[in-house]
Amino acid sequence: GAVVSQHPSWVICKSGTSVKIECRSLDFQATTMFWYRQFPKQSLMLMATSNEGSKATYEQGVEKDKFLINHASLTLSTLTVTSAHPEDSSFYICSARVALADSPLHFGNGTRLTVT
Amino acid sequence: AQSVTQPDIHITVSEGASLELRCNYSYGATPYLFWYVQSPGQGLQLLLKYFSGDTLVQGIKGFEAEFKRSQSSFNLRKPSVHWSDAAEYFCAVASPNDYKLSFGAGTTVTVRA
Repeated sequence: GAVVSQHPSWVICKSGTSVKIECRSLDFQATTMFWYRQFPKQSLMLMATSNEGSKATYEQGVEKDKFLINHASLTLSTLTVTSAHPEDSSFYICSARVALADSPLHFGNGTRLTVT
Repeated sequence: AQSVTQPDIHITVSEGASLELRCNYSYGATPYLFWYVQSPGQGLQLLLKYFSGDTLVQGIKGFEAEFKRSQSSFNLRKPSVHWSDAAEYFCAVASPNDYKLSFGAGTTVTVRA
């Protein structure tokens, strides 16, 4: 079945540094990718939607200059957390699909970010 | 705007007993509805989904869910739970137009021996 791979699965970085998370669709061309954020013991909150070749659409309250999303190819989207702070520590999950009616949505296994 | 309510934060059930997880949604038309399961520190696994047609949906691992339009509900059921069913369960709703999922707060299921 279709697989979405996220890398890294976990990362620890120092406050003030930037970290990049990759989301790859391994066996299909993902025209649309979504990025979610999940705080401990909470639900998933949609951060942004990215369509290949165009700028990401951010949800209300999400800082686009802090969470840079790039979807330069049909198999790769990246989320860069810039100037990370401890409050950015969270579980980030991507999902991907082909933008066709009723095509399924596939989730990655998530990335645990800890900012010290 | 679409939203999902999962009224039960935590449910404890005995192994072999039946399980029902409640989900109510708010959406202007007929949405796409989903149930996902998440083990600690892991990603999401799709249990089942409803797009249209038969309102009783069968999923993986012996789960089923019933879409009730009149009640705006999409409750998940399993006749006999196994210890491996202990996890976090999320109900989600999406617009067929953009597939942006809105998740409920989740229900933690604990299975006791």
